[in-house]
Amino acid sequence: NAGVTQTPKFQVLKTGQSMTLQCAQDMNHEYMSWYRQDPGMGLRLIHYSVGAGITDQGEVPNGYNVSRSTTEDFPLRLLSAAPSQTSVYFCASSRGTTGELFFGEGSRLTVL
Amino acid sequence: QQQVKQSPQSLIVQKGGISIINCAYENTAFDYFPWYQQFPGKGPALLIAIRPDVSEKKEGRFTISFNKSAKQFSLHIMDSQPGDSATYFCAAPVKYGNKLVFGAGTILRVKS
Repeated sequence: NAGVTQTPKFQVLKTGQSMTLQCAQDMNHEYMSWYRQDPGMGLRLIHYSVGAGITDQGEVPNGYNVSRSTTEDFPLRLLSAAPSQTSVYFCASSRGTTGELFFGEGSRLTVL
Repeated sequence: QQQVKQSPQSLIVQKGGISIINCAYENTAFDYFPWYQQFPGKGPALLIAIRPDVSEKKEGRFTISFNKSAKQFSLHIMDSQPGDSATYFCAAPVKYGNKLVFGAGTILRVKS
């Protein structure tokens, strides 16, 4: 029962570096999304996808890119990391946009 | 701008007491209001949700009360237990885009 798998769990970057957070789900869910969690801010939607080849922006998309080439995978790319992107990132999937969201265990990113 | 306002930010309750967390929303695309529970180091998981053709939904010790006219809904945890100590998030679907917007979260501590 893998569910939603995120890698890496921890990452430290220097300002200006790029990296990709990986997310994979094995539930054949059409809807996938990325959230960031910051103290006192809750979970804020970065990008989401309603199916392979379809992505759209959430509340806080700046500095992040996504793509969805398969149903299973939804990577999040940081093109040029900034200290403001220090956060815990969660990937989630659901059967539809109104169904239960299943979250991964998170990726903690620190940008120095 | 936050479209879901959650209160309180933190809550300490004695074992056996009632925990109450409130949320207020602005405009929604449709009626679906979930509560998620998150333990330290884990991703959020769906606790209970309501689709308000009813004003209340109960699952075990957890109850959602919904007031559509006031655009408010709340989570009640009866007979609170130390194992309920976690962060709780409410969420509502935003008016445009059918995306869930989360509240800022409530850190609940149940003292034994």
